[in-house]
Amino acid sequence: EAGVVQSPRYKIIEKKQPVAFWCNPISGHNTLYWYLQNLGQGPELLIRYENEEAVDDSQLPKDRFSAERLKGVDSTLKIQPAELGDSAVYLCASSLGQQGYQETQYFGPGTRLLVL
Amino acid sequence: DQQVKQNSPSLSVQEGRISILNCDYTNSMFDYFLWYKKYPAEGPTFLISISSIKDKNEDGRFTVFLNKSAKHLSLHIVPSQPGDSAVYFCAASEGFGNEKLTFGTGTRLTIIP
Repeated sequence: EAGVVQSPRYKIIEKKQPVAFWCNPISGHNTLYWYLQNLGQGPELLIRYENEEAVDDSQLPKDRFSAERLKGVDSTLKIQPAELGDSAVYLCASSLGQQGYQETQYFGPGTRLLVL
Repeated sequence: DQQVKQNSPSLSVQEGRISILNCDYTNSMFDYFLWYKKYPAEGPTFLISISSIKDKNEDGRFTVFLNKSAKHLSLHIVPSQPGDSAVYFCAASEGFGNEKLTFGTGTRLTIIP
């Protein structure tokens, strides 16, 4: 079974430029997550989707970050404009989304962003 | 406020011996705990989990122990193998694991051949 797919794997941009990351979750997984991982830190949740609905976006900096999950499958995370402090690894994860069950989040390889 | 803490940034263990990684948490609402392993340039890989209703869960060479009164969990790897060299993250969730995971800062484990 294919895992979580993310692209691109690496991205280098200049500050103030826009950037977008794409994620394809594990087939059949209804819940999708975007996490941000800074160097030397653990991942931190940016946004969580259940199907098409963003059910937790409290940690998403909405002035410059946006996300969408059309049709409840693939998702895109966008930053516009990017700042130097956005340099980090952006991780996508997915889980089955069965309510009332303890379940595991499976992570993709991440997109490493460098803002110059 | 760091709700999940891994106080040892690194650990070195001889091959074949036991590796013990520790994790402490402060949020008493955490109900589900997971360990992830991460190799360089890869995403975290799920290793093992434990519900708060248990105090031990075992899967092959990996065992996780939970002490709720001390708000402490540990991961035991025995015997340790060179392929176990990676960064290990402890994570916790207030719900069923399909909600927000709060991660520690990780412990880099090095297995010495």
